[in-house]
Amino acid sequence: DGGITQSPKYLFRKEGQNVTLSCEQNLNHDAMYWYRQDPGQGLRLIYYSQIVNDFQKGDIAEGYSVSREKKESFPLTVTSAQKNPTAFYLCASSIAGISGNTIYFGEGSWLTVV
Amino acid sequence: AQSVTQLDSHVSVSEGTPVLLRCNYSSSYSPSLFWYVQHPNKGLQLLLKYTSAATLVKGINGFEAEFKKSETSFHLTKPSAHMSDAAEYFCVAFPTSGTYKYIFGTGTRLKVLA
Repeated sequence: DGGITQSPKYLFRKEGQNVTLSCEQNLNHDAMYWYRQDPGQGLRLIYYSQIVNDFQKGDIAEGYSVSREKKESFPLTVTSAQKNPTAFYLCASSIAGISGNTIYFGEGSWLTVV
Repeated sequence: AQSVTQLDSHVSVSEGTPVLLRCNYSSSYSPSLFWYVQHPNKGLQLLLKYTSAATLVKGINGFEAEFKKSETSFHLTKPSAHMSDAAEYFCVAFPTSGTYKYIFGTGTRLKVLA
């Protein structure tokens, strides 16, 4: 089945530690996105990528980093500079650029600071 | 600035009664519009989308939405609520030109009472 796979589902981070969330898609989409969702709130864009080897900051990029070395993969690293990382993280993908394209989501990853 | 406003953060209905979730958008361009549903600890699932082909859009699980340009609205309705409809619902816009970023509403939590 085509879709977006995020792993791990639950991740715990210690103070001062960097952690990486994985996102893989087999939908052949050019565009990929990372969103952060805090309990009871909407989605905020962290980073997005329209094409391999290129990505742009979203609205809340500070303390996060990404790479896009392959079309299928868009990992998100939560660095120690992100002071409040506890949240639900959603990876998504779509056909790039053209209006009307559906954005598809993974099942999400919970990150908790311990 | 482009924005999506979901007019109610919480809506409660009795099982078997109609559902109305309200969404207004503000955009300089005619956007593509979507409704997504999110169950707890899950990703977002597409319910329906509007891309200018027809103003009344039918989606999955008996939901439909009507695009009204004069009112800049895209309200989601369902004739008869089911217990399984209890979830968070997001209205999303994708401007047809300008930024390539999807614009999310803050969500409406639907509660269905037995």
